Amino acid sequence: SSELTQPPSVSVSPGQTAIITCSGDKLGDQYVSWYQRRPGQSPLLVIYQDTKRPSGIPERFSGSNSGNTATLTISGTQALDEADYYCQAWDTNTYVVFGGGTTLTVL
Amino acid sequence: QVQLQESGPGLVKASETLSLTCSVSGASFNFYYWTWVRQPPGKGLQWIGHINYSGRTNYSPSLKSQVIISIDTSKNQFSLKLTSVTAADTAVYYCVRSSHDFVSGRYSYIMDVWGRGTTVAVSS
Repeated sequence: SSELTQPPSVSVSPGQTAIITCSGDKLGDQYVSWYQRRPGQSPLLVIYQDTKRPSGIPERFSGSNSGNTATLTISGTQALDEADYYCQAWDTNTYVVFGGGTTLTVL
Repeated sequence: QVQLQESGPGLVKASETLSLTCSVSGASFNFYYWTWVRQPPGKGLQWIGHINYSGRTNYSPSLKSQVIISIDTSKNQFSLKLTSVTAADTAVYYCVRSSHDFVSGRYSYIMDVWGRGTTVAVSS
């Protein structure tokens, strides 16, 4: 999984479900973390080890990882969820790799 | 509460060395990796490298020739040096606490506490 591919942008209406994908060769062989970066703020861990939520992260954030694709799902998306989202995994050659990032717009 | 704070010059001349320090409070250095990540303007996150409490390091292959990460547990600090900088090294630099484990047959790398970040510009 030395390269992780994310869609540059995803748009969703408030209250709807946002799905952000992260693709990489045999990505399911490693755990994936997801980070949220709001403008002017540091990145925030929202999902780790594919499906786990850190303390304080709302239940509407969930994740999955299988085969070549990991997915971050935000249910009941709110305006405050508007941010850039990055997937990340460990790679035996390059160590830590990030996806290119996805800008989530809540219309 | 764990807190990380980056410090260092906001402006570095091209070809010189960028030096940053991260001060850590509220956490033991044991059992974690201490990581540097950067984000160039308009681009995504880039992992630079990490160090553990015993001084073991790993660096991004693309930056390996430029990077030195060191740790001083007596001062609760770890540091980044990036040599021979160019405009491409202009970025927001973050220090991060990380966990790296082998769990159920898969590698896990988790960056759970981030500093606020410091902007470094490289001038010609």
